[in-house]
Amino acid sequence: DVKVTQSSRYLVKRTGEKVFLECVQDMDHENMFWYRQDPGLGLRLIYFSYDVKMKEKGDIPEGYSVSREKKERFSLILESASTNQTSMYLCASSDDRAPYNEQFFGPGTRLTVL
Amino acid sequence: AQSVTQLDSHVSVSEGTPVLLRCNYSSSYSPSLFWYVQHPNKGLQLLLKYTSAATLVKGINGFEAEFKKSETSFHLTKPSAHMSDAAEYFCVVSTSGGGADGLTFGKGTHLIIQP
Repeated sequence: DVKVTQSSRYLVKRTGEKVFLECVQDMDHENMFWYRQDPGLGLRLIYFSYDVKMKEKGDIPEGYSVSREKKERFSLILESASTNQTSMYLCASSDDRAPYNEQFFGPGTRLTVL
Repeated sequence: AQSVTQLDSHVSVSEGTPVLLRCNYSSSYSPSLFWYVQHPNKGLQLLLKYTSAATLVKGINGFEAEFKKSETSFHLTKPSAHMSDAAEYFCVVSTSGGGADGLTFGKGTHLIIQP
């Protein structure tokens, strides 16, 4: 069965802290994604990666960076957390060989920045 | 360019009555369309997908959706709502044949089931 896991379900951090959100997929997918989800705004793409060490900006990359050192792992980094980054963060992956871009999602990390 | 509009932010139905969640899309190319469901504090799960085969698509948990090109719609329906259907539903359009990007999400419809 397809599986995407995220390192934490809930996280509380303070303003200015450096925050790491980890995502691991076990499906050998080439593509991985980070979204944030906010009420009334749906999902917004932060960054995605189509290969190891490759990354592309999504719609809202400001204040975030990513790292993909291994195919199965995609990390989202908040260099200096701010209160407006309080949100639900969702990781997803997809198979480049699949023609229809179906994405598989992790359970999400609810981040609160105080 | 592509976009998705979910016409209702909230839908409330009684248990046992039909469900209709509306979605309109715009796309320059032949789209693939998806419905995802998100239960409280969970990730998104694929309900069904349209990929240019049959226009009436059946998904999990008794849901189905019909692709209507002339109306640019992909509405989600279920004949009889169950309490476990209470969740957030997202309509998604893709116009890429594959690859890392090309997905556009609607803002979501919150489905409420009244006992």
